[in-house]
Amino acid sequence: NAGVTQTPKFRVLKTGQSMTLLCAQDMNHEYMYWYRQDPGMGLRLIHYSVGEGTTAKGEVPDGYNVSRLKKQNFLLGLESAAPSQTSVYFCASGLSQPQHFGDGTRLSIL
Amino acid sequence: AQSVAQPEDQVNVAEGNPLTVKCTYSVSGNPYLFWYVQYPNRGLQFLLKYITGDNLVKGSYGFEAEFNKSQTSFHLKKPSALVSDSALYFCAVRDEGGADGLTFGKGTHLIIQP
Repeated sequence: NAGVTQTPKFRVLKTGQSMTLLCAQDMNHEYMYWYRQDPGMGLRLIHYSVGEGTTAKGEVPDGYNVSRLKKQNFLLGLESAAPSQTSVYFCASGLSQPQHFGDGTRLSIL
Repeated sequence: AQSVAQPEDQVNVAEGNPLTVKCTYSVSGNPYLFWYVQYPNRGLQFLLKYITGDNLVKGSYGFEAEFNKSQTSFHLKKPSALVSDSALYFCAVRDEGGADGLTFGKGTHLIIQP
């Protein structure tokens, strides 16, 4: 099925470990986004990209890095995980705004 | 800075009754407004958007929203609620000239009682 695919779906990390979350879309969208969702806080934008090779900071970028080497992929990296980064992470893509979301990655940092 | 307020954490409606989920916004320029729905353990699904034109916007699953510029509101409505409409609803806004991703409200749990 066409859409946005996030891997992995679940992950548990220890404080200080690193990992990369992968987002892939097959709709040829220019815009891709990474959000985090925390209880009672809605979704907050971490980083976004308006095209291959471009990235920009969102509302809460600290502690995260991103790369968009291919149009269809948008990677989110945590260099040194902290308990405050425990959250559900959503990737989205769209022509000019987030229209299609993945099903999320549940990340726990112990 | 842009912001969105969803004043109700939860809305309870009997099946078959009309429903309204409230949203107010603040932007510096013309707003682009959106509603999304989230079912448990799933990503958000796009329902509808207002960019320009008619103040009443129709979307997926029988939902509609009314843009009111003077009250800076964009309330989500449906004439007759279904139990399957029970979910978490998010309002979001972007300034017309903004390149950032959307600013989301905190969400409203809609519970439709049989």
